[in-house]
Amino acid sequence: DGGITQSPKYLFRKEGQNVTLSCEQNLNHDAMYWYRQDPGQGLRLIYYSQIVNDFQKGDIAEGYSVSREKKESFPLTVTSAQKNPTAFYLCASRILGGATNTGELFFGEGSRLTVL
Amino acid sequence: ELKVEQNPLFLSMQEGKNYTIYCNYSTTSDRLYWYRQDPGKSLESLFVLLSNGAVKQEGRLMASLDTKARLSTLHITAAVHDLSATYFCAAGGGSYQLTFGKGTKLSVIP
Repeated sequence: DGGITQSPKYLFRKEGQNVTLSCEQNLNHDAMYWYRQDPGQGLRLIYYSQIVNDFQKGDIAEGYSVSREKKESFPLTVTSAQKNPTAFYLCASRILGGATNTGELFFGEGSRLTVL
Repeated sequence: ELKVEQNPLFLSMQEGKNYTIYCNYSTTSDRLYWYRQDPGKSLESLFVLLSNGAVKQEGRLMASLDTKARLSTLHITAAVHDLSATYFCAAGGGSYQLTFGKGTKLSVIP
């Protein structure tokens, strides 16, 4: 089945540790995105990538890093520089361009990170 | 900078009643998206509205878009408990990044 797979689903981290969240899609989508969601809040964009080996900062990129070495993969590293990393992280992807493209974002199931 | 505002942010309604959620956005966008999120889950796409005057319906939910007023509405008809969730609208930016509203948490009570 086509879709977006995020792992792990739940992750606990000690302060001062870096952690990497995985996001893989087999939809052949061009663009991939990472969002952060805090309780009772909307989604805030961390990083996005529209093409392999290129990515841009979103609204809250500080303390995070990404890579896009393959079209289907867009891992997010939460570094120790991120002051308050406990949150729900959502990966998304979509097609870019095309006459019939709706621009719709498709989401993975999310990864919940808790810092102890 | 595109900003998206939803209201109300919290909505408690009785089963069988009708209500409307409003989504205003600040700059030109010809696309508007509605998503549903259940507690602890990801976002599920409900509607994609691609042009002024677009109206889409699925079951008890109907969404519309007025690009001149920069307003989209999500109308709930005869609410049932299964509709309890958080509903997000999102508008497209110049590079097709989506900007999300803060969400409307809907509770349908018997």
